[in-house]
Amino acid sequence: EIVMTQSPATLSVSPGERATLSCRASQSVSSNLAWYQQKPGQAPRLLIYGASTRATGIPARFSGSGSGTEFTLTISSLQSEDFAVYYCQQYNNWLSLTFGGGTKVEIK
Amino acid sequence: QVQLQESGPGLVKPSETLSLTCAVSGYSISSGYYWGWIRQPPGKGLEWIGSIYHSGSTYYNPSLKSRVTISVDTSKNQFSLKLSSVTAADTAVYYCARHGGSYYSPDAFDIWGQGTMVTVSS
Repeated sequence: EIVMTQSPATLSVSPGERATLSCRASQSVSSNLAWYQQKPGQAPRLLIYGASTRATGIPARFSGSGSGTEFTLTISSLQSEDFAVYYCQQYNNWLSLTFGGGTKVEIK
Repeated sequence: QVQLQESGPGLVKPSETLSLTCAVSGYSISSGYYWGWIRQPPGKGLEWIGSIYHSGSTYYNPSLKSRVTISVDTSKNQFSLKLSSVTAADTAVYYCARHGGSYYSPDAFDIWGQGTMVTVSS
């Protein structure tokens, strides 16, 4: 099983600041990596797929980068609606699709 | 607009079988895509359970494979999850979701249902 490790577990950021979230895979997943945003009581929402492609309707302030085992989600200027938990997920093959443990982005 | 809606009992007794259904609207399951189940224990992260194609091809999380059955009913445009021999550890919000992919590899989950809470307790 490919283990996905996210850091930090919690990120305290002021509105308008930049947030950088990390995700590491235990083995290469190429660019088969997605990022999701989840707010309390809601289902996850797809933000990024293919490591760097924004999903439909996702603002340009969200960007993804990386390949292989190291990935980054950057939120360029945090808005109030961006405070949430973010998950990465690898989908490299059908043996198992795995998610990271999540990073909570909270207001500083 | 594609929408997914989970339904099923909110309370299941230990050792029994959890059964959920996901109704799809705004898109015909027979037209393509894979359809999956993901769960999230209270206060914890996400775990993929398994996925199915309209043809009936299934893919399961190895850690749950012995207890999971996912099926599809194209005539009703819905797919279902059965998880047998449940314990308290199976208490979670269960989501159904759509994702792309092929025989060789899956893709990201692009549309999710709102989720349904299932508690395992006597």
